[in-house]
Amino acid sequence: AQSVTQLGSHVSVSEGALVLLRCNYSSSVPPYLFWYVQYPNQGLQLLLKYTTGATLVKGINGFEAEFKKSETSFHLTKPSAHMSDAAEYFCAVSDGSGGGADGLTFGKGTHLIIQP
Amino acid sequence: GAVVSQHPSWVICKSGTSVKIECRSLDFQATTMFWYRQFPKQSLMLMATSNEGSKATYEQGVEKDKFLINHASLTLSTLTVTSAHPEDSSFYICSARDFRSVWWNYGYTFGSGTRLTVV
Repeated sequence: AQSVTQLGSHVSVSEGALVLLRCNYSSSVPPYLFWYVQYPNQGLQLLLKYTTGATLVKGINGFEAEFKKSETSFHLTKPSAHMSDAAEYFCAVSDGSGGGADGLTFGKGTHLIIQP
Repeated sequence: GAVVSQHPSWVICKSGTSVKIECRSLDFQATTMFWYRQFPKQSLMLMATSNEGSKATYEQGVEKDKFLINHASLTLSTLTVTSAHPEDSSFYICSARDFRSVWWNYGYTFGSGTRLTVV
């Protein structure tokens, strides 16, 4: 079984400040890791994903995340927050054992608040 | 890019009636589609996985007779909430697995969700 823990249900940062959203996972096999953003009453938009290869992954809108196996973490960062970044962020994991037929396990989400 | 269309975006129905939600992959073939449920201010919970032409696989605790899933073609999956009750009110989101993705690309595309309110 796999699980995802997102520390902090709410994170508040000032506009222009560093954004750090934490995600830790547990998986019995090498995981595939994802970060999604959700705006109110909308579906999910993929920010970035890690499958194999380079552990520092760059995504859309200036976000990036680093896979650290030793820490079982996949924290999301952005150097400078923008007001449009205010949204709900979900970390998700899949172990890939289903050959692509397995769904994602999501964390509880982190609500990012941007202070002007 | 891969696009998934989900309809309707919101629906209000009376208790005891059935509601059908459609999920279509517009520009790719989706051999596998997933249905999630999201309660207000909570995370997404996987309800079931559907593969084209076969029966859906339901997660533990999900009533398969209440949440009927049909994946009749490579571009369409439907979720029917039968005999809906107020506790079925939720946000339902579908996701499609891009057939073109090789395993290390691992692409999932999500629909925009359906807000179901049962009164």
